[in-house]
Amino acid sequence: DTAVSQTPKYLVTQMGNDKSIKCEQNLGHDTMYWYKQDSKKFLKIMFSYNNKELIINETVPNRFSPKSPDKAHLNLHINSLELGDSAVYFCASSQTSGPQHFGDGTRLSIL
Amino acid sequence: DAKTTQPTSMDCAEGRAANLPCNHSTISGNEYVYWYRQIHSQGPQYIIHGLKNNETNEMASLIITEDRKSSTLILPHATLRDTAVYYCIVSPLYGGSQGNLIFGKGTKLSVKP
Repeated sequence: DTAVSQTPKYLVTQMGNDKSIKCEQNLGHDTMYWYKQDSKKFLKIMFSYNNKELIINETVPNRFSPKSPDKAHLNLHINSLELGDSAVYFCASSQTSGPQHFGDGTRLSIL
Repeated sequence: DAKTTQPTSMDCAEGRAANLPCNHSTISGNEYVYWYRQIHSQGPQYIIHGLKNNETNEMASLIITEDRKSSTLILPHATLRDTAVYYCIVSPLYGGSQGNLIFGKGTKLSVKP
């Protein structure tokens, strides 16, 4: 009965590849997010999305794109992976005026 | 950039109260104080939030000074499982319309037996 689940938990791939990370929430929330936590442990918002609006952090490269097939899912697609993309990626969800619930992260390593 | 200042690390004896301070001297009138924590290898976990009154829930208490320029998170009886990085964040209600929580470096709390 995990609230926010991400798959895969670990992802190791080569530079230049395209990959996706999936996120699902079973809390009935209307807003979902993607965060990136780098090697220095700084946690930064990448996207927030509900059925009305996608907000993109302007520092995020356009190689990153969120895709939401329905309200319970927000997947993260990454094209042409670079070494600097190595990080832990966290998905989160919330009701519009509620606290954010986070998944346990996807550890992406670029070789 | 984060709008809060927290000590880098703190230790606490198991069973004792853990008091984690946070300075937010530039907080705006519509901004709340939120606390999240991140246990090793897990995602951040919401703890508590407040505007100007002190708040208490099953996890912790939040004490906000009258001028709102600082606050203290209190874990009344710390356990080893409370060892984590604690983040103090100021933001409009739940990050406002963008849901944008800005995490700083946080305080690494080590609870010791």
